[in-house]
Amino acid sequence: GQNIDQPTEMTATEGAIVQINCTYQTSGFNGLFWYQQHAGEAPTFLSYNVLDGLEEKGRFSSFLSRSKGYSYLLLKELQMKDSASYLCAVDNTNAGKSTFGDGTTLTVKP
Amino acid sequence: DVKVTQSSRYLVKRTGEKVFLECVQDMDHENMFWYRQDPGLGLRLIYFSYDVKMKEKGDIPEGYSVSREKKERFSLILESASTNQTSMYLCASSPSSAVYEQYFGPGTRLTVT
Repeated sequence: GQNIDQPTEMTATEGAIVQINCTYQTSGFNGLFWYQQHAGEAPTFLSYNVLDGLEEKGRFSSFLSRSKGYSYLLLKELQMKDSASYLCAVDNTNAGKSTFGDGTTLTVKP
Repeated sequence: DVKVTQSSRYLVKRTGEKVFLECVQDMDHENMFWYRQDPGLGLRLIYFSYDVKMKEKGDIPEGYSVSREKKERFSLILESASTNQTSMYLCASSPSSAVYEQYFGPGTRLTVT
């Protein structure tokens, strides 16, 4: 079966750093996506990790440990516009499908 | 610029009606997907298609069917709408040549009364 776990909600302060964790147990694994979804909008791609380690992209970084079934998304220098839902998705087939977690709603406060 | 469009942002239908949700992408992508998104349940895959006239069931296909007659268009059909199909429906597409992210449409919020 497929199981992807993320915290439901997180709150952080503007300018701070926040880490959103994702653990997964899936029948196959090619890589892991992170998407951002603002309220009422479509999800948009943030990152994709295939190999273990940290991938940095501006204020956002994503980490993967395949052996532990664990990933995190790190957001630095938080801004109010980072308030959104963050979706972890496992790419676990060869047919382009992904299995999504329920998402973590991040609220950034002044 | 990459574009996935959906026919309606908001739709209200009555129980028992046949409902068509249309999705069009202009990126020449092979793969197309239909999801529904509900609070606390995340994104759940209904159906996907990896080529014209090809379709595969996702995790929750019951009560739905799909049609892909042209590469750019993927339709979701609710044969007889029910109140438990009230949800946000998201369409997405991706190329098949490598692992690529999915590009999502803006969503259709369907209410069945």
